Amino acid sequence: DGGITQSPKYLFRKEGQNVTLSCEQNLNHDAMYWYRQDPGQGLRLIYYSQIVNDFQKGDIAEGYSVSREKKESFPLTVTSAQKNPTAFYLCASSIIGLRLDGGMLFFGSGTQLSVL
Amino acid sequence: AQSVTQLDSQVPVFEEAPVELRCNYSSSVSVYLFWYVQYPNQGLQLLLKYLSGSTLVKGINGFEAEFNKSQTSFHLRKPSVHISDTAEYFCAVSETDKLIFGTGTRLQVFP
Repeated sequence: DGGITQSPKYLFRKEGQNVTLSCEQNLNHDAMYWYRQDPGQGLRLIYYSQIVNDFQKGDIAEGYSVSREKKESFPLTVTSAQKNPTAFYLCASSIIGLRLDGGMLFFGSGTQLSVL
Repeated sequence: AQSVTQLDSQVPVFEEAPVELRCNYSSSVSVYLFWYVQYPNQGLQLLLKYLSGSTLVKGINGFEAEFNKSQTSFHLRKPSVHISDTAEYFCAVSETDKLIFGTGTRLQVFP
């Protein structure tokens, strides 16, 4: 079955530690996105990538980093510089730039990150 | 920059009653609009989308939404809700190459 796989489902971070959230898709989608979800704040865009080896900052990129070495994979690293990392992180993908074909986003099931 | 406002953070309703979840957007250009649903501890699923054409859009699970350009609104409606509709609902607008989401409305259906 085609879809987006996020792992792990739950992740705990110690003070000063970097952690990496995995996102893999087998939908052959060009674009991939990372959103952060906090209660009452909706979804906020962290980073997105429309093509391999290229990515753009979203609205809240500080304290995060990404890479896009393969079309199928878009891992997100939460660095120690992110002082409030506790949140639900969602990865998504789409066929191509959203306005070009009115495409929609396909979402993974999310990773809950908590600080120890 | 475009933005989306969901006016109600929570909407409680009894089973089989009608419901309307409100969404307003700000944009100076033509827009694509979406409603997504999120069940607990899951990702988001597309309910429906407006790209062009008829202003009344029908989606899955009996939901529909009406695009109103003059009022810049895209309200979501269902004539009779079920317990299983309890979830969080997000309105979104496309901007060039990404989606901008509202803050969400929690729909709580009571028996």
